[in-house]
Amino acid sequence: DTGVSQDPRHKITKRGQNVTFRCDPISEHNRLYWYRQTLGQGPEFLTYFQNEAQLEKSRLLSDRFSAERPKGSFSTLEIQRTEQGDSAMYLCASSPHPLSYEQYFGPGTRLTVT
Amino acid sequence: AQRVTQPEKLLSVFKGAPVELKCNYSYSGSPELFWYVQYSRQRLQLLLRHISRESIKGFTADLNKGETSFHLKKPFAQEEDSAMYYCALSGQGAQKLVFGQGTRLTINP
Repeated sequence: DTGVSQDPRHKITKRGQNVTFRCDPISEHNRLYWYRQTLGQGPEFLTYFQNEAQLEKSRLLSDRFSAERPKGSFSTLEIQRTEQGDSAMYLCASSPHPLSYEQYFGPGTRLTVT
Repeated sequence: AQRVTQPEKLLSVFKGAPVELKCNYSYSGSPELFWYVQYSRQRLQLLLRHISRESIKGFTADLNKGETSFHLKKPFAQEEDSAMYYCALSGQGAQKLVFGQGTRLTINP
């Protein structure tokens, strides 16, 4: 499968714990995006990378959230001190180059904070 | 501010009937508009974008700048069209997508 992959697919954690998600974009895609989707809503933008540079962060991305893309390939999204409000589907998407508008989405990581 | 509104959370039509999923947007510049679709147990995927002006799976969407709308239409619905549909907007520079809350379309046999 050459599509965007995300790991894990599901994560259940207790409030206050830290979690980390991984996204592997399509090979050689320069741009990588993170979105969050809660029940009944469309995806909401969190942040995006152009290669290893993080170019924009949403106000939704509080200081408990951090994202990295150290070598311009895979990316990680970490949430520290999780809260019940963090429960959501976290989606990753990639696109081949800056002028490409189409984003290719991964299957998502569903986080449940108990 | 960028905003996308899909007024219908649920839409149900019979097979063979016309379908129209509404989308209105708010953006101060010249936006790129898209329709993304998510079939059951599949990932979100691009259905069509306004700039390509093509028909995908029988669906078309016309950008109406005067009404700030980008409604998705299909003249004859098919059962396989049942899915979640999201209208999305991107500002100039191919950056983040701003999504509407989605419309769940159900095609009844």
